[in-house]
Amino acid sequence: NAGVTQTPKFRVLKTGQSMTLLCAQDMNHEYMYWYRQDPGMGLRLIHYSVGEGTTAKGEVPDGYNVSRLKKQNFLLGLESAAPSQTSVYFCASRSYTGANTEAFFGQGTRLTVV
Amino acid sequence: GNSVTQMEGPVTLSEEAFLTINCTYTATGYPSLFWYVQYPGEGLQLLLKATKADDKGSNKGFEATYRKETTSFHLEKGSVQVSDSAVYFCALSRSNDYKLSFGAGTTVTVRA
Repeated sequence: NAGVTQTPKFRVLKTGQSMTLLCAQDMNHEYMYWYRQDPGMGLRLIHYSVGEGTTAKGEVPDGYNVSRLKKQNFLLGLESAAPSQTSVYFCASRSYTGANTEAFFGQGTRLTVV
Repeated sequence: GNSVTQMEGPVTLSEEAFLTINCTYTATGYPSLFWYVQYPGEGLQLLLKATKADDKGSNKGFEATYRKETTSFHLEKGSVQVSDSAVYFCALSRSNDYKLSFGAGTTVTVRA
C-alpha cells in the first residue's frame, strides 16, 4: 500500500525556472493538500482540493498553481521559481467522513532555488 | 479563524525523562484535535487524536487530553526514549472546514 507518493524527492532549480511537483494517492481520498515547511514556521497551506476538478487557495498561494484533473493526483506548479520558495513541500490526502479523519502525508520534496 | 499555538523548542531531554509539549488552540465550536509526529527525513504521521471535550488520546506511551475549558491539548510522555526524537505538531480540524491547521512544531531531541 503506497499511500501518498511525492515526486521528485529532491530538486535544485535556478531562479526563474519552472517545475511541477506530483502527488499521487491510492486511498481514493477526496481531499488533497499542499503544504510547505520552513524552519520556525511549521506547516503552511499553499493550496488544497476537495475533489476532482476543484482547487482552492490556502494561506500562502502566491507563486504557485495547482491542478487536480484526476482524483488520485494533485500537481503543484512553480511557474518562475524564486529563492523564497526554497522549502520542503509536503502533500497530504484525507478522506472526509468528519472533522476527526486522519491526514496521510507523503515523504516530502526538498526544493532549493538558487 | 482557527489557530494553534505550540511551545517553542527545541527541547532536549535525557532518556527516561518526562516530556510535556504545550498546545493551545483558538477555534469556535468543538474542533477535533491531533498530534502528528515527524521523524527525521520522513513525512508527518498521526500520533493521536481526540474529538470531544475530556477525551484522552493515547499511542506509543504518549497521551493528550482535550481540555475545552483551557482550550488546550498538551502532549505528555512519562519516560522518553532516544527513538522519540522527532518534530511534534499539534493540529486542529473543524467539521465545516476542509483544512487542518497546524502549530509551528516542536523539535524534541532525546539523548542516551
